[in-house]
Amino acid sequence: QVQLQESGPGLVKPSETLSLTCAVSGYSISSGYYWGWIRQPPGKGLEWIGSIYHSGSTYYNPSLKSRVTISVDTSKNQFSLKLSSVTAADTAVYYCARQGLRTNWFDPWGQGTLVTVSS
Amino acid sequence: QSALTQPASVSGSPGQSITISCTGTSSDVGSYNLVSWYQQHPGKAPKLMIYEVSKRPSGVSNRFSGSKSGNTASLTISGLQAEDEADYYCCSYAGSSTYVVFGGGTKLTVL
Repeated sequence: QVQLQESGPGLVKPSETLSLTCAVSGYSISSGYYWGWIRQPPGKGLEWIGSIYHSGSTYYNPSLKSRVTISVDTSKNQFSLKLSSVTAADTAVYYCARQGLRTNWFDPWGQGTLVTVSS
Repeated sequence: QSALTQPASVSGSPGQSITISCTGTSSDVGSYNLVSWYQQHPGKAPKLMIYEVSKRPSGVSNRFSGSKSGNTASLTISGLQAEDEADYYCCSYAGSSTYVVFGGGTKLTVL
């Protein structure tokens, strides 16, 4: 079955760039679907960050757009997130998920990775 | 503040039914039949329970159902079980500028 696994540094300094990768297994990214990033600050709700299609077409949360870059590497069957100029408010569990094309569902999700922004 | 409004908490006894509301606007919930619902147990990733307002993914119990009226979507869980105790989030497509919005989440307690 489709599985997603996030990886990346668990600690990032303020003003630096957060970088995460989501490795996909059991399904080829090139076969379709969008692939998204969602985050959840400790004790709070979910926030969609952005999504990418295998062609490289992207769309982002308007509130984060100026700081977010999502890219895809079909040869490695993975996609990545970069969030620049981070602050403590960016501390969260970051999830990656497969997203239905034009149907707005996320399934399955990766297990999530906690990223803490602190000096 | 989340784009979609959910009650902070709901509760029910085993065997009972509960409904969680998700109120948006005419720009999101009211305009598209693209509402999904997620269940999240503590320390776990969210799990898709309902998509396109009322469709159930394979493997999800038929005790879970979804509906929509105007700008408000609803998730109903019938025959409450202890394992249903979790946080629930709604999500809606919100057009070609905002795209995706989530609700603030509802904590379900099974008494």
